[in-house]
Amino acid sequence: GQQVMQIPQYQHVQEGEDFTTYCNSSTTLSNIQWYKQRPGGHPVFLIQLVKSGEVKKQKRLTFQFGEAKKNSSLHITATQTTDVGTYFCAGNRLTNAGKSTFGDGTTLTVKP
Amino acid sequence: GAGVSQSPSNKVTEKGKDVELRCDPISGHTALYWYRQSLGQGLEFLIYFQGNSAPDKSGLPSDRFSAERTGGSVSTLTIQRTQQEDSAVYLCASGTTGETQYFGPGTRLTVL
Repeated sequence: GQQVMQIPQYQHVQEGEDFTTYCNSSTTLSNIQWYKQRPGGHPVFLIQLVKSGEVKKQKRLTFQFGEAKKNSSLHITATQTTDVGTYFCAGNRLTNAGKSTFGDGTTLTVKP
Repeated sequence: GAGVSQSPSNKVTEKGKDVELRCDPISGHTALYWYRQSLGQGLEFLIYFQGNSAPDKSGLPSDRFSAERTGGSVSTLTIQRTQQEDSAVYLCASGTTGETQYFGPGTRLTVL
């Protein structure tokens, strides 16, 4: 079945440093979504990428979808303590009735 | 508008008892997921409903777990003969397709 792998599992950074998490699928995806889960909270939708090579930005966050639509990345510039949490990607296969498969997430901690 | 709601928010039960967890999705959302999340872990897919299609039950861990979705809206996850390893947060998410998901706050289940 479809697998979505995320690396790294954990990342500890000093406030102000950059952070990147990577998402890789074993199969070609129709689209990918990114979610953020704050400690003690539930996942919250951030963005969806659909097109090959697509790049989207939300303030200090940059999301990319690979040309082959099998990988994606989330980059945060100049991290802040408010960025703390777990970032999940979720991919949809071309033929799977819309069902998403989540990666295991990357947990980010930021030292002030 | 109202988001996804789940009840109860917390449930403490004794080993061997049955529990029912409820999810009220966003009105009009045809897709509904159930996940389980243990402390510090990722999202474990349980079941996926999409419109009138047969649900994808491939994530249910045992035959003690079942879920229904009545009238294409409210969903109930039932765990029979609960075990201590069932203790976790149970998250429900809904969406217009299976792709972008909006999560509820979860039900924290503790089995003593």
